[in-house]
Formats: sequence, C-alpha cells, structure tokens
Amino acid sequence: EAGVVQSPRYKIIEKKQPVAFWCNPISGHNTLYWYLQNLGQGPELLIRYENEEAVDDSQLPKDRFSAERLKGVDSTLKIQPAELGDSAVYLCASSLGSDLLNTGELFFGEGSRLTVL
Amino acid sequence: QQPVQSPQAVILREGEDAVINCSSSKALYSVHWYRQKHGEAPVFLMILLKGGEQKGHEKISASFNEKKQQSSLYLTASQLSYSGTYFCGTGVSNDYKLSFGAGTTVTVRA
Repeated sequence: EAGVVQSPRYKIIEKKQPVAFWCNPISGHNTLYWYLQNLGQGPELLIRYENEEAVDDSQLPKDRFSAERLKGVDSTLKIQPAELGDSAVYLCASSLGSDLLNTGELFFGEGSRLTVL
Repeated sequence: QQPVQSPQAVILREGEDAVINCSSSKALYSVHWYRQKHGEAPVFLMILLKGGEQKGHEKISASFNEKKQQSSLYLTASQLSYSGTYFCGTGVSNDYKLSFGAGTTVTVRA
C-alpha cells in the first residue's frame, strides 16, 4: 500500500514568490495534517482536516498561508508571498481516525523542503 | 508548550545502550515516539498511555511516568539501523494535538 505522497520534494524560490505543496494521504485516512519542521526541531502543526473540513487552523499564518482539501482526499498548502523565514520542511501526515491521543499513529510523508532566497 | 528532550545527541557503538528522556511541564495523557532518518519521513515507534505502562518494539522500549510527566526511550544493544533522530510527542487531555520535542539525534557506529 502506498504511503503518504508529497510533491515537490524540493523547491527553491525567490522571496515574495508563491509556492504550493501537494499531499496525497493514505487511502481511507480521513484525517490529514500539515506540519512545519524547522531545521533541528520537531514538527509543528499548521492545520488539521477531518475530511474536507479544516477543524483546526489556529496555527496557520493566514496572512500568507492557505490550504485546501476540496474533495476530502488530496490537499494543497500554499504560501503567497514567501518570506525568507519560511524556509523549512513541510510535512503532510494522515491518520485513520481522529483519536490521535489514544490510538493515533501518524503516517508522515517525506516532506517538501522549501528554500527561500 | 513543547516537551524537552535530552540529550540533544548521542553517539553509540553497536551493542551499546542509550536512554532518551522526554519531559513536559503539563499533565500528560499520552506520549508518542517517532524516529526520523535523515531526509526521510518520521516513523511511528510506539504510544504510551497514562497508567505508567511500558512498551517494547524489538530492542527499543519505553516507559511513561505520568506523575513526573516524563517518558524515557530505551535503546538496548543498539544496531546501526537505530541511527536517526528520535522525537517524543506529548498529548494532554481535551486536546487532540501532539506537541513534539526538538529531537535527539542518535548515531550508532560500527
């Protein structure tokens, strides 16, 4: 069975340019997460979806970041315009259910590494 | 608030043991351990729920002391494949979110 698929793996852009990342979760996983991972740090949650609904976007910087999961499967995370401080790895994860604390296993993708020049 | 992991890094020879600690300032409901190899996705190792249970995954085991709000991950008779960065993720009641520590980088040498 395929794991969580993300693209692109690497992206280099100039500051103020837009960028988009795509994620395809494991089939049947209704819950999808976008995490930010800075160098030498653990993942930090940006947004969580239950099917197509964003149930927690409190950590998403909404002035420049947006995300969507239109049909409750694939998701896209966009940054416009990108800033130097956005350089990081953007991880997508999915889980079978939403009860992460009790039974939850997050399945992560390999991430999209963004470099903003 | 994210948990604090220690040490930040450890270097081992094959067959040696190591302990990684994870501490939180909050009362914990669960602790989750992940391993991430360089350039790869973090991979789930185990989850520990409050109750002081201990779990094992081959020669990697963990304990959870809810009173001390701490968890420890034990690498026993380490193998080269154990190299990577280990993250603990902590969960508190009434909040589904995991907070991840900054990670502990383990290097196992032949």
